[in-house]
Amino acid sequence: GQNIDQPTEMTATEGAIVQINCTYQTSGFNGLFWYQQHAGEAPTFLSYNVLDGLEEKGRFSSFLSRSKGYSYLLLKELQMKDSASYLCASMDSNYQLIWGAGTKLIIKP
Amino acid sequence: IAGITQAPTSQILAAGRRMTLRCTQDMRHNAMYWYRQDLGLGLRLIHYSNTAGTTGKGEVPDGYSVSRANTDDFPLTLASAVPSQTSVYFCASSQQGSSDTQYFGPGTRLTVL
Repeated sequence: GQNIDQPTEMTATEGAIVQINCTYQTSGFNGLFWYQQHAGEAPTFLSYNVLDGLEEKGRFSSFLSRSKGYSYLLLKELQMKDSASYLCASMDSNYQLIWGAGTKLIIKP
Repeated sequence: IAGITQAPTSQILAAGRRMTLRCTQDMRHNAMYWYRQDLGLGLRLIHYSNTAGTTGKGEVPDGYSVSRANTDDFPLTLASAVPSQTSVYFCASSQQGSSDTQYFGPGTRLTVL
């Protein structure tokens, strides 16, 4: 079956670094996406990885290991506005996204 | 219009009633999608369309139908609503439907009583 696992909730301190992990099992693989979703709003795109390694975009970085079925999203210099849910999604062989339930990140001052 | 719009923003509906959720995009994207999002679950694909004139079933299509008469519009119809269809519904679009990024509309919060 297809499955995406990520922690339900994490707490971090403003200014710190947090790593959100995601493991995936999908029928085929055409890339791994991370989205951010603030409460009551639509998901917005953060990153896409299809090759192994680290992709950096400002304060956010995303890592992929295809052999391990593993990805993480790294958020640096946390700000209060980073409080949101972070959704991991794997694109399967039919180019459909299989979504995790999301990780709710709580930032404390 | 900029991006994707959805209507209505929210709706309370009696069970058994017919309801159409509207979705319009102005980005000239080929592919469009309908998802539902329920607490504790990931987004689940209901139906999709890779190009105007074609549609396909996603993970949870039962009780829903779609049409794609043109590039911009992708309405989702609940023929006879049931309480289990209470959810937040998101429409999304992408340029090619393959590995391209999906962009989401603001969502419709639907309650079926």
